[in-house]
Amino acid sequence: DAGITQSPRHKVTETGTPVTLRCHQTENHRYMYWYRQDPGHGLRLIHYSYGVKDTDKGEVSDGYSVSRSKTEDFLLTLESATSSQTSVYFCAISEEAGLKRPQYFGPGTRLLVL
Amino acid sequence: GQQLNQSPQSMFIQEGEDVSMNCTSSSIFNTWLWYKQDPGEGPVLLIALYKAGELTSNGRLTAQFGITRKDSFLNISASIPSDVGIYFCAGQDNNDMRFGAGTRLTVKP
Repeated sequence: DAGITQSPRHKVTETGTPVTLRCHQTENHRYMYWYRQDPGHGLRLIHYSYGVKDTDKGEVSDGYSVSRSKTEDFLLTLESATSSQTSVYFCAISEEAGLKRPQYFGPGTRLLVL
Repeated sequence: GQQLNQSPQSMFIQEGEDVSMNCTSSSIFNTWLWYKQDPGEGPVLLIALYKAGELTSNGRLTAQFGITRKDSFLNISASIPSDVGIYFCAGQDNNDMRFGAGTRLTVKP
């Protein structure tokens, strides 16, 4: 298994509060990704990073920000959580982008916004 | 953004039966991937396909990359109870990866 951990694994928070989720990898992979998973939608990309301090938006980036100050850590922040951000969040990593560079996923963080 | 069309949404089969699921897209992808997700866990990569027409096996699993590069299928032969889970297809083109909504597989002993 790829060395990816996510913390916390479960979180309950209230609308309007800030939330930060952490992804940590021990594989020294360059690319890291944040996805959300909702019933009927599969996995949708929120943001990704292609190196330290290099990030870009994904398909559903509104309401989320990310930071990557070290190769091994990628943080996802909900500045002011809303109920629509209740979801399961997955971090993924890949060695590089492109052919023959599949993404490997962490165990997920289940977030409930009340 | 466009997600992939994965079917069927769910399957209920008897242990020992074969299973087939597929994924289609209106866009071309250079890579097709199949993942399996167990409850409470992240998706785990099963098979990666990198060439149109490629047929690849992983134990009882066989997947093919469609010749048009717009589809892929996954077959599971002689299903067993631990095959239960959600199977996701993914199409990848450089750094753009799109997922199907998943096929939920239930295997009855």
